[in-house]
Amino acid sequence: GAGVSQSPSNKVTEKGKDVELRCDPISGHTALYWYRQRLGQGLEFLIYFQGNSAPDKSGLPSDRFSAERTGESVSTLTIQRTQQEDSAVYLCASSLVQGVHEQYFGPGTRLTVT
Amino acid sequence: TQLLEQSPQFLSIQEGENLTVYCNSSSVFSSLQWYRQEPGEGPVLLVTVVTGGEVKKLKRLTFQFGDARKDSSLHITAAQPGDTGLYLCAGAETSGSRLTFGEGTQLTVNP
Repeated sequence: GAGVSQSPSNKVTEKGKDVELRCDPISGHTALYWYRQRLGQGLEFLIYFQGNSAPDKSGLPSDRFSAERTGESVSTLTIQRTQQEDSAVYLCASSLVQGVHEQYFGPGTRLTVT
Repeated sequence: TQLLEQSPQFLSIQEGENLTVYCNSSSVFSSLQWYRQEPGEGPVLLVTVVTGGEVKKLKRLTFQFGDARKDSSLHITAAQPGDTGLYLCAGAETSGSRLTFGEGTQLTVNP
């Protein structure tokens, strides 16, 4: 399909290891967002990319978290030295028009840190 | 930073009942959206409201944006088990700003 895809769908890692999560947005969508969702809770904003502008990194919880985006395509979220509190579902969303912000979400990556 | 408060946090009702979910803030929003999320999936957009006082209907769902554009409600008539899910409201302060999400309302409709 032509929706937002994320990989892997599930990731189990040991505490202290680094992980990389991938997001493929809908083609042509200029804006891309990463969110974290803990079990039974709402969405916690992490980072926002819009075209060639500097990303809004104000939601990243620590310097262990970073994200990159190549042009208007794939994005990767990297978590270094994972901790158990990083366990959550990481959701990616993209949108076509910045102003209206109607976001299309991927299915998420469930990260479990043991 | 905007804060969106949703209530109730949890709601469990019987099939056929009506319900209302609220989304409130002290901030004014240029637009507000409602999403529904089912287990194991990402949220799916239900509606966007942009005008104060606006009412939109989507089958048995009625969405209202407050006159002052600070709050919104979602009313479901004759709820069905298929309505079960996490309902999230999200607002943008200006047309160029990112969305802020509420904590969500977990709705369970029992057959």
